[in-house]
Amino acid sequence: EIVLTQSPGTLSLSPGERATLSCRASQSISNNYLAWYQHKPGQAPRLLIYDASIRATGVPDRFSGSGSGTDFTLTISRLEPEDFVVYYCHHYGSTPKFGQGTKVEIK
Amino acid sequence: EVQLLESGGGLVQPGGSLRLSCVVSGFTFNNYAMNWVRQAPGKGLDWVSVISGSGGNTYYAASVKGRFTISRDNSKNTVYLQMNSLRAEDTAVYYCAKSRRYVAEFFDYWGQGTLVTVSS
Repeated sequence: EIVLTQSPGTLSLSPGERATLSCRASQSISNNYLAWYQHKPGQAPRLLIYDASIRATGVPDRFSGSGSGTDFTLTISRLEPEDFVVYYCHHYGSTPKFGQGTKVEIK
Repeated sequence: EVQLLESGGGLVQPGGSLRLSCVVSGFTFNNYAMNWVRQAPGKGLDWVSVISGSGGNTYYAASVKGRFTISRDNSKNTVYLQMNSLRAEDTAVYYCAKSRRYVAEFFDYWGQGTLVTVSS
């Protein structure tokens, strides 16, 4: 069973800065079946990225995903005020697994 | 517009039962697998169960297998989660989530969740 470890747990940055979030898998993920979600408190999670690097419909181009194998990254090129929330990676295999989340907070 | 609306959450005693519902609109329901995902207080997301579009295939997380049952009524655009033998550790917000198409795919739409509290 794959375990996903996200780092850092909390990322403290200022609006306009670049955010780099990491998701590491305990074993190689085939077909790059890795997604990223944004979750604002009290709201439905929102799909940002799937297949490691494909931006979902309507997602701003400041969000990008990269990586393969065991190491994946979500990059937010220039943080907007609404981006300061929690992000989860997700492996959608036979047993779906989520990382524990990275909180992006205002510095 | 795709919409998912969960209901049925509440306070239940340990050992009790509860049935959650998720009514959807905006897409051809029977063509898509549906999932339940939960988030315990202060914790991350945790996948619970999935059902195929036809309802013929179901899968569960080890932590709920044998206690929870997922089902769907395609005539009512509704997916259910029957939760029996509830434990304190089942306390969470429960979200329903639509798969992109099939069982082992990412979740492209989510509901806003319904809170289940298991406590005496």
